[in-house]
Amino acid sequence: DTAVSQTPKYLVTQMGNDKSIKCEQNLGHDTMYWYKQDSKKFLKIMFSYNNKELIINETVPNRFSPKSPDKAHLNLHINSLELGDSAVYFCASSQLPGADYGYTFGSGTRLTVV
Amino acid sequence: KQEVTQIPAALSVPEGENLVLNCSFTDSAIYNLQWFRQDPGKGLTSLLLIQSSQREQTSGRLNASLDKSSGRSTLYIAASQPGDSATYLCAVAGNQFYFGTGTSLTVIP
Repeated sequence: DTAVSQTPKYLVTQMGNDKSIKCEQNLGHDTMYWYKQDSKKFLKIMFSYNNKELIINETVPNRFSPKSPDKAHLNLHINSLELGDSAVYFCASSQLPGADYGYTFGSGTRLTVV
Repeated sequence: KQEVTQIPAALSVPEGENLVLNCSFTDSAIYNLQWFRQDPGKGLTSLLLIQSSQREQTSGRLNASLDKSSGRSTLYIAASQPGDSATYLCAVAGNQFYFGTGTSLTVIP
């Protein structure tokens, strides 16, 4: 059973399009995250939700909008895609924010904007 | 703001060698430190998690240590194998989760 699953795994789209990436966790965790991994492989947090409430919102363009319909899901919607949005996006979850139990990551979504 | 640095950025060793990867962080107020492995084009696999109250954790050929006061952690890999080739990331959990810059390891058969 996949603990944290993201879809799609790969996404190729044209500039200006709107796209969504979905994330689901079946671990019963309260907190979910979106991370962006750039071309230099550096991972940076974008958003964090705890029990459907936004708790971390790093400085990202407001074209990026997370949505958490319930604590097991955290989707990422991106409007007006730009070339610089090309990256790998990782979803993760933990029992609590900064938890004692560590973080579990999804396998990533490779977004390519052309 | 927490800064996490890993040294070296890349490492190439012959098979069978023991090796140490280093991770340093600037803010010692952390809940835990976690070591991950990332294979090319793949996601992150958790290797070891060390709570802030612990000094080390072991799993198979891997041993991770944590010295909070000096802001350092090491990942020791014994008897390296070609299958160990990957990027190794450390991450510290405080109010947020901060990743290091990663060490790209190549084990040469």
